[in-house]
Amino acid sequence: AQSVTQPDIHITVSEGASLELRCNYSYGATPYLFWYVQSPGQGLQLLLKYFSGDTLVQGIKGFEAEFKRSQSSFNLRKPSVPWSDAAEYFCAVGGYSSASKIIFGSGTRLSIRP
Amino acid sequence: SAVISQKPSRDICQRGTSLTIQCQVDSQVTMMFWYRQQPGQSLTLIATANQGSEATYESGFVIDKFPISRPNLTFSTLTVSNMSPEDSSIYLCSDGGGQGAQGYTFGSGTRLTVV
Repeated sequence: AQSVTQPDIHITVSEGASLELRCNYSYGATPYLFWYVQSPGQGLQLLLKYFSGDTLVQGIKGFEAEFKRSQSSFNLRKPSVPWSDAAEYFCAVGGYSSASKIIFGSGTRLSIRP
Repeated sequence: SAVISQKPSRDICQRGTSLTIQCQVDSQVTMMFWYRQQPGQSLTLIATANQGSEATYESGFVIDKFPISRPNLTFSTLTVSNMSPEDSSIYLCSDGGGQGAQGYTFGSGTRLTVV
C-alpha cells in the first residue's frame, strides 16, 4: 500500500534562511508526488508536482523539490524563506494514473523566526 | 489547472441533522475526491466519486454516513448525515486530474462545526 511520511512535525527557521522539508514515500512504482501548502484558515494550494522526467521540479513561490528514487524521497527546498511562508506543508503521493487517489503525509508546520 | 468552487464555505449545524456540500469544477474531470481534515490533522480520503457509478469509500467511511452524488463530470456532492460533534472538520473536494494529469486541485473547503 502506498504511504507517505513527513518526519518533521514542526520546523522553525529564521527569515531569509534556507529551507528543506523532508518527505519519504512508499509505493510499488514511481508515483505521482505533490507538495501542498495550507495557510491558517485557508484551503490547499499546490506548490509543485512530479509525474515524470526531470527529477528537479520547480514550483510556485520559488519552491523546488527533487525526486530521488534511490531514497524514495521528494524533499521540498527554498533558498530563502520570507515571513509569509509560515504555514503547514503537506507532501502527497498518488498512483501512476492521473485518475488515482492521492494520500497525504501528516504535514510539517513551518514557523519563521524574525 | 481546474478551478474548483465549493460551498458552503462554513456552517454550524445541530447534531442529528445533515449537511450537503457541493463541489463544482470548471472543466470535465474523470474523478473527484472527497477528504476530511479534522482539527490540527492532515487530510484523510473519504471516497472517490466517479461519474455514473457508485462512489468508492475508504476504510472507516460508509455510504450511509457520507452519501456522495456525481451526476456529471463537473459536479459532486457530499452529505454528512446524522451529524455529531465528532464530524466537526474541514471537508474538501479535489479533482482527479483527468487527461494529462493536470489536476489534483482542491476546493477551498467547508468548515463544519456540529453543536
